[in-house]
Amino acid sequence: TQLLEQSPQFLSIQEGENLTVYCNSSSVFSSLQWYRQEPGEGPVLLVTVVTGGEVKKLKRLTFQFGDARKDSSLHITAAQPGDTGLYLCAGAGSGGSNYKLTFGKGTLLTVNP
Amino acid sequence: ETGVTQTPRHLVMGMTNKKSLKCEQHLGHNAMYWYKQSAKKPLELMFVYNFKEQTENNSVPSRFSPECPNSSHLFLHLHTLQPEDSALYLCASSQDPGGGQTYNEQFFGPGTRLTVL
Repeated sequence: TQLLEQSPQFLSIQEGENLTVYCNSSSVFSSLQWYRQEPGEGPVLLVTVVTGGEVKKLKRLTFQFGDARKDSSLHITAAQPGDTGLYLCAGAGSGGSNYKLTFGKGTLLTVNP
Repeated sequence: ETGVTQTPRHLVMGMTNKKSLKCEQHLGHNAMYWYKQSAKKPLELMFVYNFKEQTENNSVPSRFSPECPNSSHLFLHLHTLQPEDSALYLCASSQDPGGGQTYNEQFFGPGTRLTVL
């Protein structure tokens, strides 16, 4: 069974601060996705990383996939209240099981004005 | 707006009721999924349909019965549920995961918040 551990579970910061959240596993994933979920809504896809060592930037968000494709990180620069939400990482299996996503429990981020 | 809609958004039902959740995707995808999201637990995959055929049933109790009449619509029929089934039920869709695509991006609906009394 593939497991994804996300840390920290909860994070409360002030507007303008930087933060990093982590997603770790002992399993190798063919790709890894990050989602943000707001209360009462479904997860919204932010990015997919596929290649080991890959770095993708989405405005103030920087995503990195580990060289061994077992872990990932999300760094937010100058956080804003609009960044508040539950950040989920999800890893995909390889070959015929690449449709199955294994989700972490998420990091609940609160950015205070 | 992700292109995946779910109705109803909220549902309260007794243990003896029968109800159905509906999901519709407008993205031209051919794979659809049901997930359960409970507090303090990761999203749990329940069912997968690919080209209308069920390809995954993740040991879900028979009181949950999925139906996929076409690639755009997915239903979850509920019968004789238990209070522990209260959760957010999410529908998602993606392109055919086996069609040579190397990765699977899933797009989620807003969910149905289900409360079983």
